[in-house]
Amino acid sequence: EAGVTQFPSHSVIEKGQTVTLRCDPISGHDNLYWYRRVMGKEIKFLLHFVKESKQDESGMPNNRFLAERTGGTYSTLKVQPAELEDSGVYFCASSYGQGSSGNTIYFGEGSWLTVV
Amino acid sequence: SQKIEQNSEALNIQEGKTATLTCNYTNYSPAYLQWYRQDPGRGPVFLLLIRENEKEKRKERLKVTFDTTLKQSLFHITASQPADSATYLCAPGGYNKLIFGAGTRLAVHP
Repeated sequence: EAGVTQFPSHSVIEKGQTVTLRCDPISGHDNLYWYRRVMGKEIKFLLHFVKESKQDESGMPNNRFLAERTGGTYSTLKVQPAELEDSGVYFCASSYGQGSSGNTIYFGEGSWLTVV
Repeated sequence: SQKIEQNSEALNIQEGKTATLTCNYTNYSPAYLQWYRQDPGRGPVFLLLIRENEKEKRKERLKVTFDTTLKQSLFHITASQPADSATYLCAPGGYNKLIFGAGTRLAVHP
């Protein structure tokens, strides 16, 4: 069974450009999460989808970040325009049931973003 | 605000010994706590989940305890091997999001 897959694995863009990260959750997982780790910091929650609906987007840093999950399958996270402080690793994760019920949350390998 | 503290220093132990990693949390009452392993350049890999009504959980050479009074979880690896060398992340959870600690780097020497 395929795990959580993310694309691209690495991306280098210039400040002001746009980047779109994609995540394919484990098949059958309705819950999809985005997390990120910026240099030297802990992994931080960004947002949570249940199917196509945003359940919690309290961790989104600002309105330059837009996450979508049309059709409740894969998700995209767009950063527009990118700033230097957006550099880091963006992790996507998924779970079968709600995380609040103690369901295991599985992570992808991450999309490494460098803004220059 | 919620705070998760893990041993900031790397833990160096000899192969065969038991590694014990500590996770303390404050201003938080998580319903469960997950432990992950992360290797350089990779995503976190789930190891164990323990719920607030469970005191201890075991899986092969791994054991996790969860003391909601002390607000602490301990993660043990018995009969450690060099392949266990990695960063271990504590992640208490509730309301569908995990709050991660900075992780403890474990190095097991032959």
